[in-house]
Amino acid sequence: GAVVSQHPSRVICKSGTSVKIECRSLDFQATTMFWYRQFPKQSLMLMATSNEGSKATYEQGVEKDKFLINHASLTLSTLTVTSAHPEDSSFYICSARRPATGVNTEAFFGQGTRLTVV
Amino acid sequence: DQQVKQNSPSLSVQEGRISILNCDYTNSMFDYFLWYKKYPAEGPTFLISISSIKDKNEDGRFTVFLNKSAKHLSLHIVPSQPGDSAVYFCAASPSGTYKYIFGTGTRLKVLA
Repeated sequence: GAVVSQHPSRVICKSGTSVKIECRSLDFQATTMFWYRQFPKQSLMLMATSNEGSKATYEQGVEKDKFLINHASLTLSTLTVTSAHPEDSSFYICSARRPATGVNTEAFFGQGTRLTVV
Repeated sequence: DQQVKQNSPSLSVQEGRISILNCDYTNSMFDYFLWYKKYPAEGPTFLISISSIKDKNEDGRFTVFLNKSAKHLSLHIVPSQPGDSAVYFCAASPSGTYKYIFGTGTRLKVLA
């Protein structure tokens, strides 16, 4: 079964509003989670690394004030798209690894969230 | 700059035959490679991985081959089944990091 759960799976919002996406690790505690974004027919692009209890680390070109990440507990990371615009419409996916498994292990991905800004 | 490339956007294979998906990378700092399968509107599902100290890893119908000198890896699926039809992404992780760099994906269609 799924070990990483993402909610909602689909959201439509009006331009200018904010949207929050949740990512939960279901059967393990994740000190680090990752947020990706995928445009149609393109690759998954890493946006940021979410660190429990500290600030997220953003990839180059990703606006940290636009994409707010909070990792307040060991099982939950949230991504808030603030003042959303149509160009923010995309598929957002989170991932996490089981703890204490080292860098060369697979990550588990959530189901993804399809955001449409109208 | 696309560090991980999947040059074939699509591939069609007859059921029972072998599917070979290819992936090339440019960064010699990558030391861990993975293949994920993805259906539309879903998150990727892990298939198989390989560390740079190996050149082959096998798991059931799935085998991944790594050629470090050519900076190339491939995923072999044999025999292919209609349920294997999906988009396949290869991913690479730089040494000592948890980050993944994904390729652009190859859409596999297995024909019954």
